[in-house]
Amino acid sequence: SQKIEQNSEALNIQEGKTATLTCNYTNYSPAYLQWYRQDPGRGPVFLLLIRENEKEKRKERLKVTFDTTLKQSLFHITASQPADSATYLCALSNSGGSNYKLTFGKGTLLTVNP
Amino acid sequence: NAGVMQNPRHLVRRRGQEARLRCSPMKGHSHVYWYRQLPEEGLKFMVYLQKENIIDESGMPKERFSAEFPKEGPSILRIQQVVRGDSAAYFCASSRSEATGEDTQYFGPGTRLTVL
Repeated sequence: SQKIEQNSEALNIQEGKTATLTCNYTNYSPAYLQWYRQDPGRGPVFLLLIRENEKEKRKERLKVTFDTTLKQSLFHITASQPADSATYLCALSNSGGSNYKLTFGKGTLLTVNP
Repeated sequence: NAGVMQNPRHLVRRRGQEARLRCSPMKGHSHVYWYRQLPEEGLKFMVYLQKENIIDESGMPKERFSAEFPKEGPSILRIQQVVRGDSAAYFCASSRSEATGEDTQYFGPGTRLTVL
């Protein structure tokens, strides 16, 4: 069956360091992969999208890689700040005509300590 | 430009009652998606609607759940005869056109349903 796993439930890092979050999937051939941020009591907020034929995407302090051979995406936040503390969700699209249908991982709670 | 709006934000129902969750998409968006987030689980797709049409309800339980997106007014997710297992956060998302790589989904703040 299809499965998405985010490497850990929680990650604690020191301010200024790079946070690296992992998303692994099995039995999927997604058209694209997205990363979202979710704060307590709020809905997910879109951060970045990467397509199956792209290796890397950047946006300001964020970087996403996508390895369809390993079936893995890495999400990096460089020069992390306490305001980056949140839960980060990986989401995969279906392929084959219904790629509006997103399936989310359970998320990784990132805490950036000052 | 207001984002996706959902109400109520919190809803408490007793077993057997009906729950109605409302979603107003972003201005200019005509595509609506509902997702459910059970405790300790990731968000799961339920249904995709356009105005007056259900496009894909493959993620919706076959019984007690229904959704609509009328020509006028918000999209409604309706749960009849609620049970404790329906307790979850229900999120609505909208997009301008069918969400693809070029047009992402924007999420509302969610409705937290608690069934006593």
